[in-house]
Amino acid sequence: DSGVTQTPKHLITATGQRVTLRCSPRSGDLSVYWYQQSLDQGLQFLIQYYNGEERAKGNILERFSAQQFPDLHSELNLSSLELGDSALYFCASSTTTGTANYGYTFGSGTRLTVV
Amino acid sequence: AQKITQTQPGMFVQEKEAVTLDCTYDTSDPSYGLFWYKQPSSGEMIFLIYQGSYDQQNATEGRYSLNFQKARKSANLVISASQLGDSAMYFCAMREGDTGGFKTIFGAGTRLFVKA
Repeated sequence: DSGVTQTPKHLITATGQRVTLRCSPRSGDLSVYWYQQSLDQGLQFLIQYYNGEERAKGNILERFSAQQFPDLHSELNLSSLELGDSALYFCASSTTTGTANYGYTFGSGTRLTVV
Repeated sequence: AQKITQTQPGMFVQEKEAVTLDCTYDTSDPSYGLFWYKQPSSGEMIFLIYQGSYDQQNATEGRYSLNFQKARKSANLVISASQLGDSAMYFCAMREGDTGGFKTIFGAGTRLFVKA
């Protein structure tokens, strides 16, 4: 157990629907990062939050949004889902905004299948 | 724009031998960090090793070492004495940014197969 908890582990939903993925960072970590891993795109950085504030943004679609709550857990909201959104979504956490010289701690991911 | 390139989609190595996984990067930021992660078939991402752009010595972590050649912008991972459990996908990654926020981008990965 890495200490980063992602729920649910698997999610199957229909096109056009909306889902929410949840992440609880490792205890003491203030930064949360969201990544999308698909077969054709590899690991794509979506967004970073630090202590409740958005700090860095990657190639996140407008249909996707995220937030980090006061208790530091984060949610990634995916709406108007398309078949191409099917992927493994990872959450990772770290203690700082990223200046520390160690890697992120990843959760086990949420496997999203859009049918 | 920052970029990470892993040119080896797949690699085979005999158990107990050493293997080098290639990674080149491109960035205009003088301050950056380089990482390697392992993703076994179970899917989790495991941090292996880190190299800072200002570090003078190559990073080592147990059987993992990072061959950092700054002028060539390469950060190859060397795994010594390969074990069957090393069979996995390996990702090279680079972090750049400032105190405002950081992005870590990943290469396409190299799948390593360790043969008994």
